[in-house]
Amino acid sequence: DGGITQSPKYLFRKEGQNVTLSCEQNLNHDAMYWYRQDPGQGLRLIYYSQIVNDFQKGDIAEGYSVSREKKESFPLTVTSAQKNPTAFYLCASSLGAGRAADTQYFGPGTRLTVL
Amino acid sequence: AQSVSQHNHHVILSEAASLELGCNYSYGGTVNLFWYVQYPGQHLQLLLKYFSGDPLVKGIKGFEAEFIKSKFSFNLRKPSVQWSDTAEYFCAVTNGANSNYQLIWGAGTKLIIKP
Repeated sequence: DGGITQSPKYLFRKEGQNVTLSCEQNLNHDAMYWYRQDPGQGLRLIYYSQIVNDFQKGDIAEGYSVSREKKESFPLTVTSAQKNPTAFYLCASSLGAGRAADTQYFGPGTRLTVL
Repeated sequence: AQSVSQHNHHVILSEAASLELGCNYSYGGTVNLFWYVQYPGQHLQLLLKYFSGDPLVKGIKGFEAEFIKSKFSFNLRKPSVQWSDTAEYFCAVTNGANSNYQLIWGAGTKLIIKP
C-alpha cells in the first residue's frame, strides 16, 4: 500500500525542547516537502528536498531543520528557536521538484502542541 | 511576491445547490494551477490541475475548474453539491518565476453542505 506516513499523529512537548517529526514515503519520489498549516493561512513551505543529501529552505525555515539521508525519509526537527511551534505539520512528496505540474501527495499530518 | 487569493473562507450550501469557489493569483506569466481538497479526517489530495491545453479542466467527483488567463482566475465549480463534498478546498499555483516550481497556496475555503 503506497503512500506517505507521518508519525506521531499528535505530539506534545514542553517549551524549549527540540522535537523531530517523522515522514516516510514508499512512492519512490525524488522530491519531498514540509509544510506548516495554520488556520486561515493555507500551507506555508518550511523546507523541501529535490534529491537525497540536498535540501533548500522554504518561506518559513527559521527555527526548523531537516535531513535527507535516504530517499524515502525526510524528518523535520522543530527547534527551541522556533517562536510559535504549535501547528499542524504536513509532509508531501512528488516525482521531481523540477517538474511544474507534478502532483504532490500528502501524509496525514502531525499536530504539534507546545505546552 | 506571488500570491493566491481565495475570496471565501467559509461557504455553507444546501445539497443540490451549485458551487463556485473563487481563486485568483498574482503572477502574469505561465502558470500551473491546482485545486486540492481535504475531507474531514483524510489526507490532503489533488482534486484537479491545469497544465496546458483546454482551460476547462475536469477533476474527480464531478468537479471542474476554468482557467481564465485574462482574469488571473481558476475558479472551482460543481453543478450540484452533495453532503459528502463537505471539506476544505485549497487553490495552489506554480509558475516559472520560481525556479523550483514551488507551490504557492491560497488560505483555503471551508465548505459545509447541509443535508
